[in-house]
Amino acid sequence: KAGVTQTPRYLIKTRGQQVTLSCSPISGHRSVSWYQQTPGQGLQFLFEYFSETQRNKGNFPGRFSGRQFSNSRSEMNVSTLELGDSALYLCASSSPGGETQYFGPGTRLLVL
Amino acid sequence: GQQVMQIPQYQHVQEGEDFTTYCNSSTTLSNIQWYKQRPGGHPVFLIQLVKSGEVKKQKRLTFQFGEAKKNSSLHITATQTTDVGTYFCAVHSLVGNTPLVFGKGTRLSVIA
Repeated sequence: KAGVTQTPRYLIKTRGQQVTLSCSPISGHRSVSWYQQTPGQGLQFLFEYFSETQRNKGNFPGRFSGRQFSNSRSEMNVSTLELGDSALYLCASSSPGGETQYFGPGTRLLVL
Repeated sequence: GQQVMQIPQYQHVQEGEDFTTYCNSSTTLSNIQWYKQRPGGHPVFLIQLVKSGEVKKQKRLTFQFGEAKKNSSLHITATQTTDVGTYFCAVHSLVGNTPLVFGKGTRLSVIA
């Protein structure tokens, strides 16, 4: 099976812009979670989607949003970018009933 | 919300020395997972521990879950340069339907 894929892999934006990141889970996986990884804060949970519904949400401002499509692909959007949003954004999928997270390679976002 | 403390934050060892990282929670855990992230890579699942006092081995890696299910450790015997990376624990609390919470990780450097 192909692994979790994320696009784009690298992105440079300026403050105030918005960005959309995409994640395609492993075939058959219906749960997709998003994490923000920074050197200082480690891996922080953003949100989890299951069957197109947001199941859990982390402690991030409303500028961070996401959605999941019927084919389980997921997108996350960050509006009004701030310098502090520079990070590696990781997407992970898990199988039905499974708890193991299978991570994608991540999208590295740099906000200037 | 669920929090988990992981120590140490950094560890530098000579090749051939042993290494241990610890994960501690103030609340009883449903299970605990361990992940490894190589430099420039993404977290990769290593193992999940579920039972009180459980011990699992993967070659030179030994994973333990405490009797009270509040702490865990990962021990690497005779480290090699291929062990370099950051090791994360990740936990689910006993409260249902909560997201996986990651520790801040222990970054291991191995000096040849």
